[in-house]
Amino acid sequence: AAGVIQSPRHLIKEKRETATLKCYPIPRHDTVYWYQQGPGQDPQFLISFYEKMQSDKGSIPDRFSAQQFSDYHSELNMSSLELGDSALYFCASSLGLAGLQGYTFGSGTRLTVV
Amino acid sequence: DAKTTQPNSMESNEEEPVHLPCNHSTISGTDYIHWYRQLPSQGPEYVIHGLTSNVNNRMASLAIAEDRKSSTLILHRATLRDAAVYYCILRGAGGTSYGKLTFGQGTILTVHP
Repeated sequence: AAGVIQSPRHLIKEKRETATLKCYPIPRHDTVYWYQQGPGQDPQFLISFYEKMQSDKGSIPDRFSAQQFSDYHSELNMSSLELGDSALYFCASSLGLAGLQGYTFGSGTRLTVV
Repeated sequence: DAKTTQPNSMESNEEEPVHLPCNHSTISGTDYIHWYRQLPSQGPEYVIHGLTSNVNNRMASLAIAEDRKSSTLILHRATLRDAAVYYCILRGAGGTSYGKLTFGQGTILTVHP
């Protein structure tokens, strides 16, 4: 079965650079969520989109922005990267905000800022 | 968001049943109880979820207390591949907790051969 696809799997950037992470949800899933997981931490919610509109916002820095496109894929744009942005970034998708069939997570993008 | 409380860690032997408890005394009537697990360096994986009645699927069973203030995830026969962090999460049906999953501290399950 198709899963949530995230790209790239690994990314190394220098401080103050920009990065773009991509997420392709399961076909027909219309809701996307972004999470950040620092080393030894639990996943922290960043932002979500439903039907291409922002549906909720968590602890996402102002340096980050995201959007969901007409094909429902989503991109997380990160600017002025800091060392503390080094983390695993997960995307999840669901059918509708209710997520009654559960949420499916991707394998994540590991971002390292040096 | 309503809060859940889980033990920091639990241990089990392979092929034995595992009961992972979760307390959620402030649960509201419309909160769903979700369980996810995360293996090292992987994304969280859906295990099971329920509202009021006990639920079974191919991975596990979810036993929900009658007052819904606690629940137990049951792995019927633990395997080494079940070693993971298990998260019990309340997902609201409305308001600020609608939609997103808020992860708290989960239970690290160690399975011994």
